[in-house]
Amino acid sequence: AQSVTQLDSQVPVFEEAPVELRCNYSSSVSVYLFWYVQYPNQGLQLLLKYLSGSTLVKGINGFEAEFNKSQTSFHLRKPSVHISDTAEYFCAVSIINTGTASKLTFGTGTRLQVTL
Amino acid sequence: DGGITQSPKYLFRKEGQNVTLSCEQNLNHDAMYWYRQDPGQGLRLIYYSQIVNDFQKGDIAEGYSVSREKKEYFPLTVTSAQKNPTAFYLCASSTSWDTEAFFGQGTRLTVV
Repeated sequence: AQSVTQLDSQVPVFEEAPVELRCNYSSSVSVYLFWYVQYPNQGLQLLLKYLSGSTLVKGINGFEAEFNKSQTSFHLRKPSVHISDTAEYFCAVSIINTGTASKLTFGTGTRLQVTL
Repeated sequence: DGGITQSPKYLFRKEGQNVTLSCEQNLNHDAMYWYRQDPGQGLRLIYYSQIVNDFQKGDIAEGYSVSREKKEYFPLTVTSAQKNPTAFYLCASSTSWDTEAFFGQGTRLTVV
């Protein structure tokens, strides 16, 4: 079975400062990796995903993440945050298994709070 | 616009009553999923379906039931057997081969 750990439940940051949201995973087989964002009382929106290839993945809204296989990590970064980035961020994995449903295993989420 | 529609957005029920949450997608996706979200626990998989008339239990299926009679619809019934049904429920879909899941806007169920 696979698991995802997001150690930081909350991350406060000032506007225009850089931010890193940490994600570590555990799996006995190869996985795909995802970051989703959730605004209050809404569904989840995909920020970015790592399937294969370059370990640095760029997503929407200026976010990027780097896959580190040796450290089993997939940390999310943004060089300069905006007030509108305030939201809950979820890291997720799914097992690489072509042709089957992509069941996601989620971390517990990190609340990013951006202030002036 | 293509997407996933969940209804209603807010739902209140008395304890002991069954309640059905609606999920409809017009993305022509084969696979559909139901997740439950609780504060501090992330999302947990309840049920999923890869094709019409077939579905599988997820990690927390007890007290829930689903059906998949049409490709577009995947309703979730929260039964009276579910001990703690108050939560935010999210429906998602994906193609059978792709890895990206698309989510609806969620239904917040409150049982009193």
